[in-house]
Formats: sequence, C-alpha cells, structure tokens
Amino acid sequence: TQLLEQSPQFLSIQEGENLTVYCNSSSVFSSLQWYRQEPGEGPVLLVTVVTGGEVKKLKRLTFQFGDARKDSSLHITAAQPGDTGLYLCAGESSGNTGKLIFGQGTTLQVKP
Amino acid sequence: ETGVTQSPTHLIKTRGQQVTLRCSSQSGHNTVSWYQQALGQGPQFIFQYYREEENGRGNFPPRFSGLQFPNYSSELNVNALELDDSALYLCASSVDPGTVMNTEAFFGQGTRLTVV
Repeated sequence: TQLLEQSPQFLSIQEGENLTVYCNSSSVFSSLQWYRQEPGEGPVLLVTVVTGGEVKKLKRLTFQFGDARKDSSLHITAAQPGDTGLYLCAGESSGNTGKLIFGQGTTLQVKP
Repeated sequence: ETGVTQSPTHLIKTRGQQVTLRCSSQSGHNTVSWYQQALGQGPQFIFQYYREEENGRGNFPPRFSGLQFPNYSSELNVNALELDDSALYLCASSVDPGTVMNTEAFFGQGTRLTVV
C-alpha cells in the first residue's frame, strides 16, 4: 500500500517567517502534486513535480522532489496571512492511472 | 468555461438512510473521480469513472456506488449510511484517466455530509 506522510500536521507562525512542510513515503511515485485547500473549498493544484531532484518555484513557494522520488518538500519564504490554509501533497498511484493518494495535510496558520 | 460544480453543498442524513451526491464536470472533461475527506485528514480515493464506466476503486465497501452520464456528469450514491460516513465528499474532473503528469484534475467545492 502506498502511503504519504506529511509533517508537521499543524503549523502556526508569524507573518514574515519561513517554513518547510515535508511529504515522505517508502514508495516511489511517478509524480507528486501539492495542493492548497481553504475551508469550504476543494483542493487547488499548486504544482506537479515529476523528475527526481526537480525544484520548482511559484513566487515565494519552492517545491522539491527527492532524488529517489519518494519524498517532497514545500518551502514558503516570508509567509503572509494569505498563505493560511491546508496544504496537501498527493502522489499518483502506481500504474499512472490518474488516481491520487493524499497525505493527511498540514494546516498552516500565518498570524499578522 | 464552467468549473466543477457539486450539489448539494451541505446535507444532513440519518443513520441507515441513503444519499445521492451530484457532480458536473468541467467542460471538455470526460473523467470524474470521487474522494472522501474526513475532518482533519487528506482526501481518500473512492472511485473513478471514465466514459460512463467505473475505472478503478479505492478501499470502500460496495454500499458506495456511482454513475457517470453521457454528458460526463456523475453521481455518488451511499446506502445504509453510517456515522463514520460523515465527511466532505469531493469530485474531481480531468480530461482523461491518464497520468497526472499530463492531466490536471480540477476539484469541486465538495458536499459536506453529516450523518446523525
């Protein structure tokens, strides 16, 4: 069974601080996606990483895929209150089926 | 371009009842996947429909069933509701069931089901 574990589960920081969220697995994934979900809404895709060692940047967000394609990280620089939300990593289940396996999520609160 | 829409947004049912949730896929998308998200957890894959047929199923009992219609909209049916079925049910549509490397899935806002 493919599982993804995220850490930390909860994070409360002050505006301007940096943070990193981790997504780890014992399984290899063909790709990993990061989503952000706000209360009462569905997840919104932030990025897809495909190649081992890949780094992608989206403004203040930096995403990295591990060399062995078993783990990923999300780093936010100078967090803002608008970054508050639930961050989810998701891997595509084996067989390239388009079906996603999600981590349990990291709830981020950025205080002004 | 119309996004993914789900109805109803909220629903309260009694244990033992049956429920039907609906999803309209994004224009041009022929694949719909359903996920269950318990409070404080990540979404769990229930099943996927492609061209009106089930195309893969997660670890959910047979009382969870679905349909996809010729216009690619979809329904999720749950029979004999249990208290643990209380969750946010998410629908995601995509162009085809191929790899997510090439296919972005768009999620609806979800249906919050409460079983009492």
